[in-house]
Amino acid sequence: QVQLQESGPGLVKPSETLSLTCTVSGGSISSNYWSWIRQPPGKGLECIGYIYYSGSTNYNPSLNSRVTISVDTSKNQFSLKLSSVTAADTAVYYCARTFTTRDAFDIWGQGTMVTVSS
Amino acid sequence: SYELTQPLSVSVALGQTARITCGGNNIGSKNVHWYQQKPGQAPVLVIYRDSNRPSGIPERFSGSNSGNTATLTIRGAQAGDEADYYCQVWDSSTGVFGTGTKVTVL
Repeated sequence: QVQLQESGPGLVKPSETLSLTCTVSGGSISSNYWSWIRQPPGKGLECIGYIYYSGSTNYNPSLNSRVTISVDTSKNQFSLKLSSVTAADTAVYYCARTFTTRDAFDIWGQGTMVTVSS
Repeated sequence: SYELTQPLSVSVALGQTARITCGGNNIGSKNVHWYQQKPGQAPVLVIYRDSNRPSGIPERFSGSNSGNTATLTIRGAQAGDEADYYCQVWDSSTGVFGTGTKVTVL
């Protein structure tokens, strides 16, 4: 059974770059689409973007200029970088899998809380 | 950008039927997915492609989608169904979530 696990710093300073990694276990990353989704405290879910295992990406237009998602198939991992963070980027960050860009997010990581604060 | 609107809250008596709506422009032309999220936990998929239940999801969860409204129905609501529920579609290759509905089982 495929499982996802987020990892990375829980605290990031304003104006710096948030970096997270999602490790895929129990299956290969070399298929499907892999996404990052976030949820500010007490608020709803927001898609950040996705990467296909081949490396093609798509980002939410509201975050496009600050987001980079990459994949490392040799490590079965994909990563998120969000630059120039502010307090508004404080959220639980989830990684998730979807088969296509019409399908549901069927598998989610447990999420990791990232706080932006000096 | 595409927007999905859900009621902020829905209350349902134990054992009765709850209906959660998700409104969007011509949403009937899109595949709608529904997620259940309990406090402190990651979302769990309960309905995919409008009306399909993943393995392990009880039959009391069902979905429909037509026109400008998609609906998640919970028949025979149980205390364990109390949670936040989100609808989701894809628009221009970007995932879009609804505003979320808190379901309270009385």
